Amino acid sequence: AQSVSQHNHHVILSEAASLELGCNYSYGGTVNLFWYVQYPGQHLQLLLKYFSGDPLVKGIKGFEAEFIKSKFSFNLRKPSVQWSDTAEYFCAGNFRDDKIIFGKGTRLHILP
Amino acid sequence: DVKVTQSSRYLVKRTGEKVFLECVQDMDHENMFWYRQDPGLGLRLIYFSYDVKMKEKGDIPEGYSVSREKKERFSLILESASTNQTSMYLCASSGPQWNEQFFGPGTRLTVL
Repeated sequence: AQSVSQHNHHVILSEAASLELGCNYSYGGTVNLFWYVQYPGQHLQLLLKYFSGDPLVKGIKGFEAEFIKSKFSFNLRKPSVQWSDTAEYFCAGNFRDDKIIFGKGTRLHILP
Repeated sequence: DVKVTQSSRYLVKRTGEKVFLECVQDMDHENMFWYRQDPGLGLRLIYFSYDVKMKEKGDIPEGYSVSREKKERFSLILESASTNQTSMYLCASSGPQWNEQFFGPGTRLTVL
């Protein structure tokens, strides 16, 4: 069965540190991948998405993610985090139909 | 901008009560979804709908039912609320296949 897994449940970083959140999926066919973010008290919103083409995808607020097909990975990166990046981040995949499967989320806490 | 609205942000109900959660989207999306979000478990799909009067079970449909009488409206029903249904409930909608989902603000339901 298809699945999406996120390696880190809770990450704490200082401002200006670099960020990489891991995401792996299990599926051998065509896949669309997403990163969603949920800021405290706000609704889930899309950070970035990969459908096809350039495996390096740029999203909002300076985030990017790289699709590595051979590793079944779609890791989220940001070179220098800010306090306002404190949020919960969800990786998600769409594998064959309209359902999207979500990972369990990573809580990111940025220390000022 | 896509807008997905949910009838309540906070709801408190008693065990055994029938609970209705309403969701409305204004983008003429075919697909609508209900999730519950619990700490450490991410988002779990309860039910989804591809079209009016059509519904499909998600991963955790037990104790829930849904109704989609109009394209823009998707209701989640808890026939007899129980304390283990205390959770955050998220509604989402999406366009044709492979598109990302747009989320509502969520309803935090507490069952006493």
